[in-house]
Amino acid sequence: DTGVSQNPRHKITKRGQNVTFRCDPISEHNRLYWYRQTLGQGPEFLTYFQNEAQLEKSRLLSDRFSAERPKGSFSTLEIQRTEQGDSAMYLCASSLDQTGTRTTNYGYTFGSGTRLTVV
Amino acid sequence: GENVEQHPSTLSVQEGDSAVIKCTYSDSASNYFPWYKQELGKRPQLIIDIRSNVGEKKDQRIAVTLNKTAKHFSLHITETQPEDSAVYFCAASNTGTASKLTFGTGTRLQVTL
Repeated sequence: DTGVSQNPRHKITKRGQNVTFRCDPISEHNRLYWYRQTLGQGPEFLTYFQNEAQLEKSRLLSDRFSAERPKGSFSTLEIQRTEQGDSAMYLCASSLDQTGTRTTNYGYTFGSGTRLTVV
Repeated sequence: GENVEQHPSTLSVQEGDSAVIKCTYSDSASNYFPWYKQELGKRPQLIIDIRSNVGEKKDQRIAVTLNKTAKHFSLHITETQPEDSAVYFCAASNTGTASKLTFGTGTRLQVTL
């Protein structure tokens, strides 16, 4: 396990279709994040999990978006009834929460992303 | 919520010169400030970070400074090389309440020969 893995790398879909992306984090990482990045912009936070619990969701995450991390390992992000405005790079990241330990490392490791194009 | 502003949006320097990228943040509770480098078509990669209990951190040619009072932090790259060409993002978070990062809009650094 050398990093965060995301599948698929690219997805082209027709408007109105549903899509699902998968993220496999670094195995010992208990935090998992989803971000969206459009051209020329920084990543925008969508949601994050601590183990299997979804602790925060951005206002950007409309009702058409849902994320799960059922066993605290991999995560899926589903977009229903896709719109052209959903076209973006969807990035997953993971980190190890070491709150309460002497050594704290808050650094994320990002995956390579899934580029979604809605036509 | 947190708001991070980043300047400049583009920066061109000659090889060997220094580059400085500046960010400001709005939430005084933010206490963790990482910098990411993103090459074209690749994932963002953490290059250096700083926590609010220190004012400066160095790692070879890269340094980050933090002014908590002014809510500014900056990335300094010395002796720039062509492989430093990339988009650089600053970010901020409050690790005490949530671990989400709020990113700046990025600086495209071009190192010319």
